[in-house]
Amino acid sequence: GQSLEQPSEVTAVEGAIVQINCTYQTSGFYGLSWYQQHDGGAPTFLSYNALDGLEETGRFSSFLSRSDSYGYLLLQELQMKDSASYFCAVRRGGADGLTFGKGTHLIIQP
Amino acid sequence: GAVVSQHPSWVICKSGTSVKIECRSLDFQATTMFWYRQFPKQSLMLMATSNEGSKATYEQGVEKDKFLINHASLTLSTLTVTSAHPEDSSFYICSAQGGLADNTGELFFGEGSRLTVL
Repeated sequence: GQSLEQPSEVTAVEGAIVQINCTYQTSGFYGLSWYQQHDGGAPTFLSYNALDGLEETGRFSSFLSRSDSYGYLLLQELQMKDSASYFCAVRRGGADGLTFGKGTHLIIQP
Repeated sequence: GAVVSQHPSWVICKSGTSVKIECRSLDFQATTMFWYRQFPKQSLMLMATSNEGSKATYEQGVEKDKFLINHASLTLSTLTVTSAHPEDSSFYICSAQGGLADNTGELFFGEGSRLTVL
């Protein structure tokens, strides 16, 4: 089976940096993905790591360590619109669906 | 990016009736589509994987006779909730991919369909 652990809630202030961690256990591994979901909306893709290291896309970065079964999402220069739920997710293989973590609710304070 | 569209966005039905949700890939051919369910304040749970022209593969614990999935073309998959009951009320979301050649890891999601069973 597969399981992912991430914090249920994180609070940060506008303009700050926040890191959301994710550890996983999986029988197969086809990369770690991160998705953002606002209340009532569909998930939107943020980033994907198949290999160890850091991937940067604008204000968002994602890191993966396969040996530690660990990754994180780093959000910089936080804006109020970043208030949302963030999910890490893994796939067993390229033809498989995503298994999502339980999500981290990010609260941004002014 | 690729566009996936779901219809309807909202549906309210009476207990015992059946509801069909459509998922379309608008600008690419989706060899594989995935159906998820999300209860309020919870994560997305994979229900089934459908490949065009073949039977869907259901995740453990998902009743295949209750959640009928059809993927008759490369651009359309449907989920039919049969004999719906209030506990089936949920947010149903589809996602699609164009094939194994895609190595970006991104799956494209529809807007979701919120089902309320009275």
